[in-house]
Amino acid sequence: DAKTTQPNSMESNEEEPVHLPCNHSTISGTDYIHWYRQLPSQGPEYVIHGLTSNVNNRMASLAIAEDRKSSTLILHRATLRDAAVYYCILRDPWDPQGGSEKLVFGKGTKLTVNP
Amino acid sequence: DAGVTQSPTHLIKTRGQQVTLRCSPKSGHDTVSWYQQALGQGPQFIFQYYEEEERQRGNFPDRFSGHQFPNYSSELNVNALLLGDSALYLCASSLAPGGLAVLSEQFFGPGTRLTVL
Repeated sequence: DAKTTQPNSMESNEEEPVHLPCNHSTISGTDYIHWYRQLPSQGPEYVIHGLTSNVNNRMASLAIAEDRKSSTLILHRATLRDAAVYYCILRDPWDPQGGSEKLVFGKGTKLTVNP
Repeated sequence: DAGVTQSPTHLIKTRGQQVTLRCSPKSGHDTVSWYQQALGQGPQFIFQYYEEEERQRGNFPDRFSGHQFPNYSSELNVNALLLGDSALYLCASSLAPGGLAVLSEQFFGPGTRLTVL
């Protein structure tokens, strides 16, 4: 399974931008970069995903380095509700062993948002 | 539109017992995956069911088994419970990719907290 590395924890203030980094130096050419987050006492929820180009949606933005060996999840204005554990996950839809069917979670980054 | 639902929310068992956890997928979804999440860790993939068959399995012993019904709901069974099986068990549903979509987003339920004494 392709591996990702994230800081254990980060802290932010409410209404300030947050940049959550993820390193994936062994990423393959067909790996998609996915982000999920897990709010306290809930199951994980999908945030965003991308392949090569930067992506935006209503929740966040995903900035992908040109060499694809790292990416950054950007929350433009953090709210208290964004306090969660954020997971960066690689998925290869053409994995011959069917690895795309499962999400491989690391420990993620625990984001604390201060009021 | 109901999301993924799981039952029960909490469960306490003793070592050696057997347990069955249940999951109803999000409306329109045909694929169910199960994950185990120990305290302080990320979820670990157990297996995935599609068309009533196990399609992919993680590194879990045969004590962990599952089933998917024709209505796409699913059960996770764990036999001969060990203390180490205490965890949050998460169910996720998705729609099998088709057309231009190569990957599908997984929607998670709130989980079942299993405590083994």
